[in-house]
Amino acid sequence: KAGVTQTPRYLIKTRGQQVTLSCSPISGHRSVSWYQQTPGQGLQFLFEYFSETQRNKGNFPGRFSGRQFSNSRSEMNVSTLELGDSALYLCASSLGDRGDEQFFGPGTRLTVL
Amino acid sequence: AQTVTQSQPEMSVQEAETVTLSCTYDTSESDYYLFWYKQPPSRQMILVIRQEAYKQQNATENRFSVNFQKAAKSFSLKISDSQLGDAAMYFCAYRSARGTYKYIFGTGTRLKVLA
Repeated sequence: KAGVTQTPRYLIKTRGQQVTLSCSPISGHRSVSWYQQTPGQGLQFLFEYFSETQRNKGNFPGRFSGRQFSNSRSEMNVSTLELGDSALYLCASSLGDRGDEQFFGPGTRLTVL
Repeated sequence: AQTVTQSQPEMSVQEAETVTLSCTYDTSESDYYLFWYKQPPSRQMILVIRQEAYKQQNATENRFSVNFQKAAKSFSLKISDSQLGDAAMYFCAYRSARGTYKYIFGTGTRLKVLA
């Protein structure tokens, strides 16, 4: 079974631009979660989608948004980029039940200049 | 709101020795799950071990075991017979078993294994 894939792997943008990141979950997984990882902050939960509906949301500004398609693939969008948005963005998929293991992708490294 | 605290930013262990990584959490819930995830350098995060809060018995997975103290809200990870491949960032995570099942991660502990 193919693992979680994320595209692109690396991205360089400038302040004020917007960016879209993509995540393809493991086949059969209905839940996709997004995290922002920065040194010292650990993993900060952004949001979770389950069957095309946002089930959970973290404490991030409205510039961060996401969606999930009928095939469970998910996209995350960040508008009006700020320098502080530079981070590794991780996507994780699971079957969606409460005790499920999350399977993580390799991440997208976003650098904002 | 739930919180997860990993008070050791970095730990070192000699190869073949045992090391314990600490994790404490705060919650008012009684039903939840706890996890330890491992993130090797430049590699994907993987699950190490999972504990269900309603189970008294500590979870074990080969050389990895946990010491789950529900009353103290403590969930430490013990790695026995440490190997070079154990070098990684280790994250403790909490997930509510009710409501929206939100995941909360700690800030991580970087484990170095010395040859």
